[in-house]
Amino acid sequence: GNSVTQMEGPVTLSEEAFLTINCTYTATGYPSLFWYVQYPGEGLQLLLKATKADDKGSNKGFEATYRKETTSFHLEKGSVQVSDSAVYFCALTGSNAGNNRKLIWGLGTSLAVNP
Amino acid sequence: NAGVTQTPKFQVLKTGQSMTLQCAQDMNHEYMSWYRQDPGMGLRLIHYSVGAGITDQGEVPNGYNVSRSTTEDFPLRLLSAAPSQTSVYFCASSYFSTLNTEAFFGQGTRLTVV
Repeated sequence: GNSVTQMEGPVTLSEEAFLTINCTYTATGYPSLFWYVQYPGEGLQLLLKATKADDKGSNKGFEATYRKETTSFHLEKGSVQVSDSAVYFCALTGSNAGNNRKLIWGLGTSLAVNP
Repeated sequence: NAGVTQTPKFQVLKTGQSMTLQCAQDMNHEYMSWYRQDPGMGLRLIHYSVGAGITDQGEVPNGYNVSRSTTEDFPLRLLSAAPSQTSVYFCASSYFSTLNTEAFFGQGTRLTVV
């Protein structure tokens, strides 16, 4: 079945450092890929998404490119801020109808950014 | 602009008690789901619904019941609370019929069973 693997945390960075959080997936066909973010004490919210190979999703300075050849969707940001401290989840939905449309989640990566 | 509303935000139960976590959405989404979030375990799907009158089990359904009598509401019932059900619970909704759909989450309910 479909699955998502993301790098374990916690990740601790200094402000203005470069961020990469790795995410790889296993899925048949052409899944849609997502990054969600969870700020402390809140629910998850969509950060960015990509729906086909070579698409780049971007939002709030974060980017991720859908790489079908490496089955990856790594999250990057060139210069993190303290306000980026959160838990980041990689997820996918399958390309077939029915249950394959359910979101499949990675375990989440906690990011702490120090001033 | 309510989105997904979950109540309560915090709850403490004694072992064996029952309770209902409420979830309502005002976006006319077909798909609603309940997750629990535990440290190191990510999000685990408890139950989900693809429309009014239709529910199905997720990964960890034991000890929980759901119903979907309207499009808007999707309550989660704990039948007889156990310490293993101490967790943070999230309700989510989305359009199910559209590929690439974004899920909208409630703020969460932090449940402690003592």
